[in-house]
Amino acid sequence: GQQVMQIPQYQHVQEGEDFTTYCNSSTTLSNIQWYKQRPGGHPVFLIQLVKSGEVKKQKRLTFQFGEAKKNSSLHITATQTTDVGTYFCAGPGSNYQLIWGAGTKLIIKP
Amino acid sequence: EAQVTQNPRYLITVTGKKLTVTCSQNMNHEYMSWYRQDPGLGLRQIYYSMNVEVTDKGDVPEGYKVSRKEKRNFPLILESPSPNQTSLYFCASSLGTGGSHAQYFGPGTRLLVL
Repeated sequence: GQQVMQIPQYQHVQEGEDFTTYCNSSTTLSNIQWYKQRPGGHPVFLIQLVKSGEVKKQKRLTFQFGEAKKNSSLHITATQTTDVGTYFCAGPGSNYQLIWGAGTKLIIKP
Repeated sequence: EAQVTQNPRYLITVTGKKLTVTCSQNMNHEYMSWYRQDPGLGLRQIYYSMNVEVTDKGDVPEGYKVSRKEKRNFPLILESPSPNQTSLYFCASSLGTGGSHAQYFGPGTRLLVL
């Protein structure tokens, strides 16, 4: 069945370093969504990308959608403690569902 | 305030004792769904509903039931809970179908089945 793979599962960074998470779909996606879940919290919608090759920025966060619309990435520049959490990508599946990546947990080293 | 509410937030129960987790949204969203989240497995969809009286199975529906009698409410029913249903449960809603619109999540219900 359709799958969305996300890597890495964890990433430890020093505060101020950059962070990137990658998402790959087994099928072409009409769009891709990104969510952030803080520790102990619930997923919160960040952004949706729709166009092939689309790049969107939200302050220090840069989101990209691949040309083939099968992969996406989220890059955070100069991480801060407020960035801690798990980042999920999700794409539409068959039957009106959303197929989720397993998430990348961002851990800031003290 | 636009929100999705879930109750209870925490629940400890015993095997076989029927329970219901309620979910309600005040955004007039048509699409609602239930997820469970387990360590290392991300979010897995249990059931979803595209509108009143329209529900369908997600990826892990076994052992769960849902109903959608009103647009705002989408309760999750565990008829005979088992320990493997111990998990963190999230209800979510969106304006349209799950893949095309942002999902708004409730705060979660942490369930422990003994």
